[in-house]
Amino acid sequence: DQQVKQNSPSLSVQEGRISILNCDYTNSMFDYFLWYKKYPAEGPTFLISISSIKDKNEDGRFTVFLNKSAKHLSLHIVPSQPGDSAVYFCAASALSGGATNKLIFGTGTLLAVQP
Amino acid sequence: NAGVTQTPKFRILKIGQSMTLQCTQDMNHNYMYWYRQDPGMGLKLIYYSVGAGITDKGEVPNGYNVSRSTTEDFPLRLELAAPSQTSVYFCASTPSGTGGETQYFGPGTRLLVL
Repeated sequence: DQQVKQNSPSLSVQEGRISILNCDYTNSMFDYFLWYKKYPAEGPTFLISISSIKDKNEDGRFTVFLNKSAKHLSLHIVPSQPGDSAVYFCAASALSGGATNKLIFGTGTLLAVQP
Repeated sequence: NAGVTQTPKFRILKIGQSMTLQCTQDMNHNYMYWYRQDPGMGLKLIYYSVGAGITDKGEVPNGYNVSRSTTEDFPLRLELAAPSQTSVYFCASTPSGTGGETQYFGPGTRLLVL
């Protein structure tokens, strides 16, 4: 049972345009969401996060939107740059359920930004 | 400050062999985690530790063992390697495991079991 889903395995966008990566979750206990970025042969690196008490969090070119009623979040990258080409993982945790910070990851979306 | 380091980077094992994947962090983090990533899949939690001497199972613990004798080190042991354990293994750490802290990941160990 995949509790965190990223239904688009890949996405290709032109440099300078907006990239929108989507993530859906099924567990209503999740209250903290993160996006990680992963380059080949490297470990994931943290990108941006959002708590369930917010519906938007922005950090430079990256914005995460959370729609709790739809159990959906999205990552917007504007403008997209070739260096953004990587696999993006959505992750969720249920912090209110205990202090272990266990993350449930989606399957990832490979973003390719074309020059 | 090296962060989270993992050794080896790559290993080929024969079925039934054993090995230990090493993980060390120099950030004095209490919480450490082991994940595996299969092709086309997300990361799945194998084991985690909330401090020296304390470990617990994650989503997919079968076939693995861990120990945590120091804050810095969190080795993952495969006793009888099976082809199903072919994967990329990532170790991660976080200061205290609360408040949605960022997990810091190592570069991974690629394991092939033949």
